[in-house]
Amino acid sequence: QKEVEQNSGPLSVPEGAIASLNCTYSDRGSQSFFWYRQYSGKSPELIMSIYSNGDKEDGRFTAQLNKASQYVSLLIRDSQPSDSATYLCASANQAGTALIFGKGTTLSVSS
Amino acid sequence: NAGVTQTPKFQVLKTGQSMTLQCAQDMNHNSMYWYRQDPGMGLRLIYYSASEGTTDKGEVPNGYNVSRLNKREFSLRLESAAPSQTSVYFCASRDSLNQPQHFGDGTRLSIL
Repeated sequence: QKEVEQNSGPLSVPEGAIASLNCTYSDRGSQSFFWYRQYSGKSPELIMSIYSNGDKEDGRFTAQLNKASQYVSLLIRDSQPSDSATYLCASANQAGTALIFGKGTTLSVSS
Repeated sequence: NAGVTQTPKFQVLKTGQSMTLQCAQDMNHNSMYWYRQDPGMGLRLIYYSASEGTTDKGEVPNGYNVSRLNKREFSLRLESAAPSQTSVYFCASRDSLNQPQHFGDGTRLSIL
């Protein structure tokens, strides 16, 4: 059974700090990776997609991928209380037909 | 833009009752998915349809059936509901392989 592992948290950071969220995956054949944000009682919302080794930046968010280490991370700069949510990491299966989700990391940003 | 629409948003059933959850997307996506989300368990794939006319089992298919009615619609049926199927159900769709999925707002289902 292919898996995606995340620390459940909670991860607590002060407003304005950098939040670092990490994820490992077991399927070496995975080619695409995604970070979703989920507020309590709401549906998952796509934040970032990453397909190649290295960094990908979008505003305050940076996704990092290291396929050799099977490791994906999400950095949130200048964290805001509105960033408080559960962050889900997902990788595509080798065929690319479905996503495997981690259980999520809960982030709490205090003002 | 409606995106992915799920109906109903809430439902309470008694054990043994049957029910169909509806999902429709207006993004012309090829693939559609049904997940359940339980506390501490994350999102678990029930069934998916990679393209119109095909369906495949996911991680937790037992107790469920699906129908890909056309390219837009993908329904999930509980034939004989059990309390263990109390959960939040999400439908998602995406355009093509290795693309991100877009989620509906979810159906909160309670089975007594």
